[in-house]
Amino acid sequence: NAGVTQTPKFRVLKTGQSMTLLCAQDMNHEYMYWYRQDPGMGLRLIHYSVGEGTTAKGEVPDGYNVSRLKKQNFLLGLESAAPSQTSVYFCASSYESTGGKLAGFYEQYFGPGTRLTVT
Amino acid sequence: GNSVTQMEGPVTLSEEAFLTINCTYTATGYPSLFWYVQYPGEGLQLLLKATKADDKGSNKGFEATYRKETTSFHLEKGSVQVSDSAVYFCALRVAKTSYDKVIFGPGTSLSVIP
Repeated sequence: NAGVTQTPKFRVLKTGQSMTLLCAQDMNHEYMYWYRQDPGMGLRLIHYSVGEGTTAKGEVPDGYNVSRLKKQNFLLGLESAAPSQTSVYFCASSYESTGGKLAGFYEQYFGPGTRLTVT
Repeated sequence: GNSVTQMEGPVTLSEEAFLTINCTYTATGYPSLFWYVQYPGEGLQLLLKATKADDKGSNKGFEATYRKETTSFHLEKGSVQVSDSAVYFCALRVAKTSYDKVIFGPGTSLSVIP
């Protein structure tokens, strides 16, 4: 079980370049998320998905696009990178138990992060 | 709206000292509360959680009690180790609402020195 993996681990872009970050999970989770982490600001939600084929905007979606064509993958795209997008990006997935003794049990699993620098 | 406030860091302690990291929240509804830990160069890991008032979450010697009357979820450990050096995030989630997502505090950096 690899959990949540992210590709690449590091990337340097020039302003205006594009790139795609890949997140993959092997836990069959329905929900997936993209966050960015900046000093003193904690984690901020960029986009999320509640299932294959669905996406929704989070707190800071501008400048990013996402796709969830397969349940196990969640892609984050930057069409025209800007220095303000220099950050560490984390992907996460989660499940929520809906029945039995663990009804309502919720847990979120994070990937190791991608450090992106835009010059 | 929903929000989480944490004490500002960085916090520096000597090994075996007592740790408290304060966390207070604002939420509509009945949130679940979490503490996550991020070790250097890694992603966040769930440390402990509590889902209703007066619940105590505990793990690896850390504890936090869900206090509804003071809207707090302070993290404590009786004797810290160098290996506890990390960034700690308090978080909440209000399920089945229009904003059914986890909201994180800004994080508190802890350094434990030998």
